[in-house]
Amino acid sequence: NAGVTQTPKFRILKIGQSMTLQCTQDMNHNYMYWYRQDPGMGLKLIYYSVGAGITDKGEVPNGYNVSRSTTEDFPLRLELAAPSQTSVYFCASSSNPNTEAFFGQGTRLTVV
Amino acid sequence: GIQVEQSPPDLILQEGANSTLRCNFSDSVNNLQWFHQNPWGQLINLFYIPSGTKQNGRLSATTVATERYSLLYISSSQTTDSGVYFCAVYSGGGADGLTFGKGTHLIIQP
Repeated sequence: NAGVTQTPKFRILKIGQSMTLQCTQDMNHNYMYWYRQDPGMGLKLIYYSVGAGITDKGEVPNGYNVSRSTTEDFPLRLELAAPSQTSVYFCASSSNPNTEAFFGQGTRLTVV
Repeated sequence: GIQVEQSPPDLILQEGANSTLRCNFSDSVNNLQWFHQNPWGQLINLFYIPSGTKQNGRLSATTVATERYSLLYISSSQTTDSGVYFCAVYSGGGADGLTFGKGTHLIIQP
């Protein structure tokens, strides 16, 4: 069972570059989420989606964009990378917010 | 939004010891989960426990929803239990995602 799969696992970006973090889930979950984790902190919600074609902002959305064209995929786009976006990014999915959420293995991003 | 406070922030124990980690939250919750983040950064689901008591091997958890706290018990600690333990909740208001505490950093020494 794959669950939630994120790629890449590691990436180094230069300031101003763009990239897309990929996330796919095979559990047919309606809800998908992107979180970031800064050193010594818990995770903070960036964006979430309640189904294909529907996305909404979380606590820290600035500097990011998302799309949800299928149930399975929820990519996160960084358009102009900044050092403040150096973090570990986690994708998650659940049937709904009241049920158990499952997380991917994370993407460690460094912006230099 | 809902506030989540975990205690203690750091805990150092010898192998074989027992421990209790606490999670306080500021509002009623529809979802509460405990996670273990291992030294490689992976988030491992431990318990989905918005109320009641559950046990899984050496680990157990209790959530008293009416008093707005949850406890994670680890018995007979092993070095592989080291890492950060997070409590995360969803209260039904605001963004539809989990709100995380800052975690308890547990170190089990051999």
